[in-house]
Amino acid sequence: GQQVMQIPQYQHVQEGEDFTTYCNSSTTLSNIQWYKQRPGGHPVFLIQLVKSGEVKKQKRLTFQFGEAKKNSSLHITATQTTDVGTYFCAGEGGYQKVTFGTGTKLQVIP
Amino acid sequence: NAGVTQTPKFQVLKTGQSMTLQCAQDMNHEYMSWYRQDPGMGLRLIHYSVGAGITDQGEVPNGYNVSRSTTEDFPLRLLSAAPSQTSVYFCASSPDPGNSGNTIYFGEGSWLTVV
Repeated sequence: GQQVMQIPQYQHVQEGEDFTTYCNSSTTLSNIQWYKQRPGGHPVFLIQLVKSGEVKKQKRLTFQFGEAKKNSSLHITATQTTDVGTYFCAGEGGYQKVTFGTGTKLQVIP
Repeated sequence: NAGVTQTPKFQVLKTGQSMTLQCAQDMNHEYMSWYRQDPGMGLRLIHYSVGAGITDQGEVPNGYNVSRSTTEDFPLRLLSAAPSQTSVYFCASSPDPGNSGNTIYFGEGSWLTVV
């Protein structure tokens, strides 16, 4: 079945440093979504990418969808303590078949 | 709107006991699902439903049953709890199956411990 891997599993950064997490699917995706989960909380939708090579920005967050629609990345510029949490990608490979990545846990050191 | 509501938030079970995790959504979403979250494993799909009366298995369905008698409710039943089912469970819903890329809305989670 479809597998979605994320790297790294954990990342510690000093506040102000940049952060990137990568998502790779074993199959071509129709779209990819990104979610953020704060410690003790539930996943919350951030963004959806649909087109090959698409790039979207949300303030300090930049999301990319690969040309082959099998990989994606999330880049945070100048991290802040409010960015702490686990970031998940979720790929839809077929009819409502959404597979979540393993997540990247971000810790920001003040 | 309340969104996706899960109960209970915390539960301790003894091995072999059964219980039901309740999930309700008030957004008239056709698609509902249950995930479990374990450290380092991400979110794994247990069961899902694309509408009332229709359910299907996800990635890790063993030991769990679901039913979907109404659009609003999607309870998850643990038939005979095992320590391996200790986890955080999330119910989720999404609008209109068949439209690619619908946002998934999650409940706040249910922390289950099986001793």
